[in-house]
Amino acid sequence: AQSVTQPDARVTVSEGASLQLRCKYSYSGTPYLFWYVQYPRQGLQLLLKYYSGDPVVQGVNGFEAEFSKSNSSFHLRKASVHWSDSAVYFCVLSGGNYKYVFGAGTRLKVIA
Amino acid sequence: GALVYQYPRRTICKSGTSMRMECQAVGFQATSVAWYRQSPQKTFELIALSTVNSAIKYEQNFTQEKFPISHPNLSFSSMTVLNAYLEDRGLYLCGARQGHSDYTFGSGTRLLVI
Repeated sequence: AQSVTQPDARVTVSEGASLQLRCKYSYSGTPYLFWYVQYPRQGLQLLLKYYSGDPVVQGVNGFEAEFSKSNSSFHLRKASVHWSDSAVYFCVLSGGNYKYVFGAGTRLKVIA
Repeated sequence: GALVYQYPRRTICKSGTSMRMECQAVGFQATSVAWYRQSPQKTFELIALSTVNSAIKYEQNFTQEKFPISHPNLSFSSMTVLNAYLEDRGLYLCGARQGHSDYTFGSGTRLLVI
């Protein structure tokens, strides 16, 4: 079975602070992993993806994520958040059946 | 580039009536189309996966009788929510892909049931 766990439903950080959003996955094979962002009243936008190779992948708007096979994790990071980063972030796993399995999402609030 | 358009963007329907939503792929051939629902305060659940030349596969808790899907060509898909009730409200997302490429998602159709 495939599953994605985002343990933090809500995260609040101050503008300019660093950010880490956690993601753990469960899949016995080689995972394809994605982070998507959903801004208020909008659909999904792809931030970054990991297929293989360098475990640290760079995405848009200064986001990066690090894949760890040993920890079954794919945490999202940003060095300095901006108020416009406030949104819901979804970690997504694609296994061998090509289905996308979504985590529950983490709602990020950036405060002044 | 690859784009997916969904319409309507938002719609309201009366309880017990039906509502059809559409998904248009532009710039690529949508050999597979996935329909998801995001209920209020929840994550995205896969409703069904439609692949050209294959039967549409519905996930547990979703049926063809409730969510009939059409995928008549490589650029278009539609899904109808039949007899919509309060629990059917939410954001319906269409994702399309060509072959084994990444899915491209539309902006969704937001359904409100009154």
